[in-house]
Amino acid sequence: KNQVEQSPQSLIILEGKNCTLQCNYTVSPFSNLRWYKQDTGRGPVSLTIMTFSENTKSNGRYTATLDADTKQSSLHITASQLSDSASYICVVSAQSGGYNKLIFGAGTRLAVHP
Amino acid sequence: NAGVMQNPRHLVRRRGQEARLRCSPMKGHSHVYWYRQLPEEGLKFMVYLQKENIIDESGMPKERFSAEFPKEGPSILRIQQVVRGDSAAYFCASSLQNEQFFGPGTRLTVL
Repeated sequence: KNQVEQSPQSLIILEGKNCTLQCNYTVSPFSNLRWYKQDTGRGPVSLTIMTFSENTKSNGRYTATLDADTKQSSLHITASQLSDSASYICVVSAQSGGYNKLIFGAGTRLAVHP
Repeated sequence: NAGVMQNPRHLVRRRGQEARLRCSPMKGHSHVYWYRQLPEEGLKFMVYLQKENIIDESGMPKERFSAEFPKEGPSILRIQQVVRGDSAAYFCASSLQNEQFFGPGTRLTVL
């Protein structure tokens, strides 16, 4: 069964600190892995996308890693800001019937406090 | 270039009523996807449509739920005879090829 699991479920950090969010997946056949940011009451917005051959991708203060052998990914946030408070969702894309079907994790709810 | 638009943003229905959720994809996008998000859970795939065709409806409940994407106009997700368990956020996404862009969602509350 295709599954995406994220940890921790929630996290509180102080402004300016770094944090790392984890994602494990069992999805086949794997197409790509994305990290999304979802603000409260809004739709998800893509942060990074990585294919099988990529093991790191940065987008500003966000750095994602991918280990396709162990089927693990992480999202590292550097020098956190109050506006980083949101849910971070790991999404794995599986080839299905000629298109990429998205399998969503439940998300990590991050709160950045001043 | 407006993003994916969904309306209404909030919808309240009583048990047994019908709910109609609308999604206007980004300009030029011909692929539309609907997802449901229950509280404290991740988004779950419901249905994938292209213009006038349902491509994959494997995530749709067998009864009361239907979706369409007509040649003209927005995509519609229709829920008949709503029950309390239908209360959730419903997100629509559109794509040109592989990258999906999400709308702000419709929050359905069933009283």
